[in-house]
Amino acid sequence: NAGVTQTPKFQVLKTGQSMTLQCAQDMNHNSMYWYRQDPGMGLRLIYYSASEGTTDKGEVPNGYNVSRLNKREFSLRLESAAPSQTSVYFCASSPKAGNTEAFFGQGTRLTVV
Amino acid sequence: AQTVTQSQPEMSVQEAETVTLSCTYDTSESDYYLFWYKQPPSRQMILVIRQEAYKQQNATENRFSVNFQKAAKSFSLKISDSQLGDAAMYFCACSSGTYKYIFGTGTRLKVLA
Repeated sequence: NAGVTQTPKFQVLKTGQSMTLQCAQDMNHNSMYWYRQDPGMGLRLIYYSASEGTTDKGEVPNGYNVSRLNKREFSLRLESAAPSQTSVYFCASSPKAGNTEAFFGQGTRLTVV
Repeated sequence: AQTVTQSQPEMSVQEAETVTLSCTYDTSESDYYLFWYKQPPSRQMILVIRQEAYKQQNATENRFSVNFQKAAKSFSLKISDSQLGDAAMYFCACSSGTYKYIFGTGTRLKVLA
């Protein structure tokens, strides 16, 4: 069972470069999420998609854009990477909004130099 | 708004002993859910236990149990008979009908042999 798959697992970017983090789930979940994890700050919600065709901002959306491509896929784009975006990024999905377990991908460690 | 606070950045426990990790939360929602996730060094987020706020009975999963005090907005995790494999970061999370999972800053648990 693949669950939630994120690509890539590691990435180094130069300041100002752009990139897209990909996420796909094969559990037929309605809701998907993007988080960033920084030391001492836990996981902070960047964007979420409650259902296919909708996206909403989370706690820390600045500098990011998202696309819910279809029910399976939810991508996160950094248009002009900054060193402050160095972090570990997690994608997650859940069957319904908020009352069930969220399933997580293995994370992407992104370094912006 | 919804916040989750974990006031213990780090805890230690002797193997086979019991340890309790603290979590307090605040939410304006009447219907919400609480979770404890474990993050071992592999970085994978693993659900430990889940509690529905409308249920008064405390959730239990094998050696893991919670003490849910709704009026005090407290949701602590008790790990009994601690094992070396329990060493990890533990995150408390709250989720509600706003579709978001909000996490605390985490507690690093060390298990001493």
